[in-house]
Amino acid sequence: GAVVSQHPSWVICKSGTSVKIECRSLDFQATTMFWYRQFPKQSLMLMATSNEGSKATYEQGVEKDKFLINHASLTLSTLTVTSAHPEDSSFYICSARDQRLAGGYEQYFGPGTRLTVT
Amino acid sequence: KNQVEQSPQSLIILEGKNCTLQCNYTVSPFSNLRWYKQDTGRGPVSLTIMTFSENTKSNGRYTATLDADTKQSSLHITASQLSDSASYICVVSRYGNKLVFGAGTILRVKS
Repeated sequence: GAVVSQHPSWVICKSGTSVKIECRSLDFQATTMFWYRQFPKQSLMLMATSNEGSKATYEQGVEKDKFLINHASLTLSTLTVTSAHPEDSSFYICSARDQRLAGGYEQYFGPGTRLTVT
Repeated sequence: KNQVEQSPQSLIILEGKNCTLQCNYTVSPFSNLRWYKQDTGRGPVSLTIMTFSENTKSNGRYTATLDADTKQSSLHITASQLSDSASYICVVSRYGNKLVFGAGTILRVKS
């Protein structure tokens, strides 16, 4: 149980275009979803936290107009990188949890999406 | 400052050998400590999670320890296999559920 999927697993886009990444909780309802970015040989950096039906909370230094997050249902959150630039190339990972459950602090991570902007 | 430091940065061992990875933290208030395994190009997978009152937890060949007084944790891998080659990340959760990530230890198991 507790499976989180991401789509696509990798994407290449041209500079200036937008790309959408989906994060789904397959067998549980995610009241909260998190989006992370990971650069090579570095650890995960939290970008934003989203609660279902609410606006996302962004970490300091993360542009909310560039990284649009939508958490419209209890099983789906999307991250849209708008007007992508080569420096946005990174590994994007989502995680999800159901805070209503006992032990609901456990976060389950998706497999990640490799974004390359050319 | 809330920090998690891991050592060593990288480690190479022979298949079948044991190894121990270290994690020191200064996160407060402490909620729980987790060890994750991250294969290259994949998301992290949870190995163990320990709360303040737990000082050891095992998951197969993985055994994690926690000393909440000294704010240290270790992950011991027994009888290593080639598939253990990965990055091992120590993560400490603060109350309020913010996760503080260590930089990870890259383990390579050679045949």
